[in-house]
Amino acid sequence: RKEVEQDPGPFNVPEGATVAFNCTYSNSASQSFFWYRQDCRKEPKLLMSVYSSGNEDGRFTAQLNRASQYISLLIRDSKLSDSATYLCVVPGGTASKLTFGTGTRLQVTL
Amino acid sequence: DTGVSQDPRHKITKRGQNVTFRCDPISEHNRLYWYRQTLGQGPEFLTYFQNEAQLEKSRLLSDRFSAERPKGSFSTLEIQRTEQGDSAMYLCASSLDTVAYGYTFGSGTRLTVV
Repeated sequence: RKEVEQDPGPFNVPEGATVAFNCTYSNSASQSFFWYRQDCRKEPKLLMSVYSSGNEDGRFTAQLNRASQYISLLIRDSKLSDSATYLCVVPGGTASKLTFGTGTRLQVTL
Repeated sequence: DTGVSQDPRHKITKRGQNVTFRCDPISEHNRLYWYRQTLGQGPEFLTYFQNEAQLEKSRLLSDRFSAERPKGSFSTLEIQRTEQGDSAMYLCASSLDTVAYGYTFGSGTRLTVV
């Protein structure tokens, strides 16, 4: 099993829609998880951290299911500006570094 | 500017040439990481430093690659005898003494080998 797996998409949704991405991870000992956002040809930027069962920030909700080893990101009321690639990130190996998924591309349209 | 800075932003080089990239981390961050990202993929770990000590290297880091962080501040990544397959975005990130709060990335150096 890969350390972290994501559906690459793309997810094409209309403005105002709710969209959810899932990500699975293999290291059951992982404690902290992240979602990063990456715009085209830019660096990844931290969107949300997930330390326990979940985290909410405005329109964004991240949830963690330790039993099934997956993390989800929910975006409500999608905006055009949400169009980006969303990277699921977990601690790798000995937790000395982060391992990134391949990313899920979101395109929000009018 | 208190972010992570990388130089140069873009580099075009001929196959077989050597290139060197520089990264200046956030000043209070002990850890510095190098990643490589190709189109359609997530960033892939190359190596990381805790202060001046290089603590881990990926198998992706062939013997043509070398990284240094001589005084525990800035870091350099050198690629010798570049190949077309080295074309990628090279990302530097820094963090406090733990990954528990995530990283801050620099803007990256985009390398094109022709």
